[in-house]
Amino acid sequence: ELKVEQNPLFLSMQEGKNYTIYCNYSTTSDRLYWYRQDPGKSLESLFVLLSNGAVKQEGRLMASLDTKARLSTLHITAAVHDLSATYFCAVDEVPQGAQKLVFGQGTRLTINP
Amino acid sequence: NAGVTQTPKFRILKIGQSMTLQCAQDMNHNYMYWYRQDPGMGLKLIYYSVGAGITDKGEVPNGYNVSRSTTEDFPLRLELAAPSQTSVYFCASSAAPFEQYFGPGTRLTVT
Repeated sequence: ELKVEQNPLFLSMQEGKNYTIYCNYSTTSDRLYWYRQDPGKSLESLFVLLSNGAVKQEGRLMASLDTKARLSTLHITAAVHDLSATYFCAVDEVPQGAQKLVFGQGTRLTINP
Repeated sequence: NAGVTQTPKFRILKIGQSMTLQCAQDMNHNYMYWYRQDPGMGLKLIYYSVGAGITDKGEVPNGYNVSRSTTEDFPLRLELAAPSQTSVYFCASSAAPFEQYFGPGTRLTVT
C-alpha cells in the first residue's frame, strides 16, 4: 500500500526567507503532483513531475523529483504573503492510464510580513 | 469553458437519506474522479472512471456508487447517509498523466 508523508505539516515563516517542503512516499512511482489549496477553496495544480530528476519552476516555487530516493521537494524562494496556503503532494499508484492518486496530509504554510 | 462543475455547493442530510452529487466537465477528458476531504487531511479517492461506462473503486468506496453514461458527467450517489460521510467532496478530471482539474467542491453534512 502506497503511503505519502509530507513534512513539515505546519510551517510559519517570514517574508523573504527560503524554505523546503518534503514529500516522501513508500513504493515505486515516477508520477508525482503538487497542488495548492487556499482555505475553503478547491485544489489548483502547481507542478507535474513525470520522471526521475524532473525539476519544474514557476515564480518563487521550484519542485523536484528523485524517484530512487522516493522523495520530492517543493522549494520556496524569498517567500511572499500570497504564497500562504496548504500544499499537497500526490503520488500516482499506477504507472499508466487513469491516475490513482494518494495524497499527503498537506503542509499548511503561513507567511508573515 | 467552465472546466469542472459540481452541484450542489452545500447540503445537509439526515441519517439514512440518499442523494446524488453532480459533476460535469467540458474538457473532453476521459478520466474522472471523486474524492473526499476530511478536515485537516488530504484527499482520498472514492471512485474513478476511465471513460463512459467504465468505473472502478478507489481507496474509500464503501457507502457510495457511481455511474458514467457520458464523457461529460460523473454523478456520485450516497445511499443511506451516515455521519461518517460528512466531508467535502471534490470531483476532478484529467487527460492522464497530466494534472487533474478539480471542481469547486460540495460540502456535505450528515446529522
